[in-house]
This record gives sequence, C-alpha cells and structure tokens, in this order.
Amino acid sequence: KAGVTQTPRYLIKTRGQQVTLSCSPISGHRSVSWYQQTPGQGLQFLFEYFSETQRNKGNFPGRFSGRQFSNSRSEMNVSTLELGDSALYLCASSLLPGLASEQYFGPGTRLTVT
Amino acid sequence: AQSVTQLDSQVPVFEEAPVELRCNYSSSVSVYLFWYVQYPNQGLQLLLKYLSGSTLVKGINGFEAEFNKSQTSFHLRKPSVHISDTAEYFCAVYFGNEKLTFGTGTRLTIIP
Repeated sequence: KAGVTQTPRYLIKTRGQQVTLSCSPISGHRSVSWYQQTPGQGLQFLFEYFSETQRNKGNFPGRFSGRQFSNSRSEMNVSTLELGDSALYLCASSLLPGLASEQYFGPGTRLTVT
Repeated sequence: AQSVTQLDSQVPVFEEAPVELRCNYSSSVSVYLFWYVQYPNQGLQLLLKYLSGSTLVKGINGFEAEFNKSQTSFHLRKPSVHISDTAEYFCAVYFGNEKLTFGTGTRLTIIP
C-alpha cells in the first residue's frame, strides 16, 4: 500500500506570495492532519480534516487555511507569506480522526520563504 | 498550560550501550502518550503509544517506555542501541483536546 504523499517536496517562495501544498493520504484513510515543524518551535499542529470538514485547528493566524476533497486528498494554503513561515510542513493520515487510529506521516514539504 | 518537555536536545551514546530519552508533561487531566522517530529527510514514524492498561509499553525496534503518572513522565528506553537508531525522537501527548502536542525533540547520536 502506498504511503502518504506530499507534493511538492521542496518549494521556494518570496515574502508576500501565497503557496498551496498538497497531501494524498493512504488509500482508505479519511482523516488528514497538518503540522508545521521549525527548529525554534518544533512540531505544531495546524489543523485536522475528516470527511471534508475541519475538526480541529491549532493556534495559527488566518493566513493558514486548508481543505479536504471528497477523495480525502487535502491541501493547505498559506497566504501573504512571511519569513517565519519557512518550515517543514508535515501531513499525516489516519483511518479515523483523533485517537481512534494511528497517524501515518508523509515525508513533508520543505518551504523556504526569501 | 499543558506542555511537553524533552529536556535533552541531544544525546550521544556509544553503540551497544543503553539509552534513556526523557519526556515529561504538565497536565492534571488524563493523557495519552506517544513516541515518534524521525529519520533524516523523512516523516515521523510511531514507535509506541500508551492509551491505557500496563504502564510499560513495548514498541518497535526494541524500544520501550514507562508511563509514570505521579511523576508525569513517559521516558523512552532501549537496552542496547545500534547505529541505525541515529535519528530524532519526539514525545507527543494528547491532552484530551484531540490535538497532538509534541516535545521539541531529542537528537540521538550513536557513536561507533
């Protein structure tokens, strides 16, 4: 079974631009969560989607948004990029949300904002 | 505030020696505890988890962890490490709000 796929793997953007990252979950998984990983803040929860609905949201500004499609694929968008948005963005999928089932992580998208 | 603390940012250990990676959390509510490993340029992989039952939990790759409620700790141990254990290890906790909170990670370096 294929694992979680994230595209693109690497991305360089300029301050003020916007970016869209994509996550394809493991086949059959309906829950997708997003995390931001930086050297200073570590791993922080962004949001979780299940059946196209946002179930949970972390403490990030409104510039960070996401959505989930009917095939469970998910995208996250960051508008008006800031230098501090440079990070590794990890996506994780699971059969069900919360504690109900194990999360499987993708390799991440490394975003560099210049 | 609910938080997860991994005091050791880096731990060097000789090959075949034992290792303990420390994790403490602050919470008065019931928690669920996890350890993840991240190899270079890869995502996170679940090592083990504690949801309920026996406080000694065994995971993959020979790792185990013990939940100590009174000390609010969930330390990860391995009796004999191998070069392939070189990675970053993250402790994570569900505080009942269904948001996984991670510690800042411990980089384990195995010295041949």
